[in-house]
Amino acid sequence: GQNIDQPTEMTATEGAIVQINCTYQTSGFNGLFWYQQHAGEAPTFLSYNVLDGLEEKGRFSSFLSRSKGYSYLLLKELQMKDSASYLCAVRRDYKLSFGAGTTVTVRA
Amino acid sequence: NAGVTQTPKFRILKIGQSMTLQCTQDMNHNYMYWYRQDPGMGLKLIYYSVGAGITDKGEVPNGYNVSRSTTEDFPLRLELAAPSQTSVYFCASSPTTGSSYEQYFGPGTRLTVT
Repeated sequence: GQNIDQPTEMTATEGAIVQINCTYQTSGFNGLFWYQQHAGEAPTFLSYNVLDGLEEKGRFSSFLSRSKGYSYLLLKELQMKDSASYLCAVRRDYKLSFGAGTTVTVRA
Repeated sequence: NAGVTQTPKFRILKIGQSMTLQCTQDMNHNYMYWYRQDPGMGLKLIYYSVGAGITDKGEVPNGYNVSRSTTEDFPLRLELAAPSQTSVYFCASSPTTGSSYEQYFGPGTRLTVT
């Protein structure tokens, strides 16, 4: 099975950097996704890591260490619109198991 | 492309009633999924399908049924609704070519059972 842990809430100031950690224990691993979900909306894809290391995409970066069962999502130059829930999801074959999500609040 | 569409957006059911949540995708994806999301919880997989005519149970299938007669449609049926089924339901689809199996989500159906 999958056991996926991420912090419940984080707060940061506009323009700052926030790092959201995700740890997982899994009986199978084929990759790790990060999704963004604004309140009342559907999750949308942010990043996907299958190999160890850092993937950078604009203001967002995601890191994976498979040996440690660990990933993080880094949000730089925070904007008010980044206030949302961030979901870590582990892929096993064609199915995803989701963490409970981290609610990020960006303050002016 | 409209992507993944779901109807209805909102619904209130009385205990014991039944309903079907509709899901359609126009991306020719083989894989489709139904999730429920409760407040403060992650998405839980209810049922999934790897192609027309093939469905299988996820983590929380009790109280639900699905069918997949076409590639495009994957309806979720609730029989004898219970308050525990109050939740937000998301349908998703993913391609099989290429693939990271990235899932594309519909806008959700907000269901209240009273």
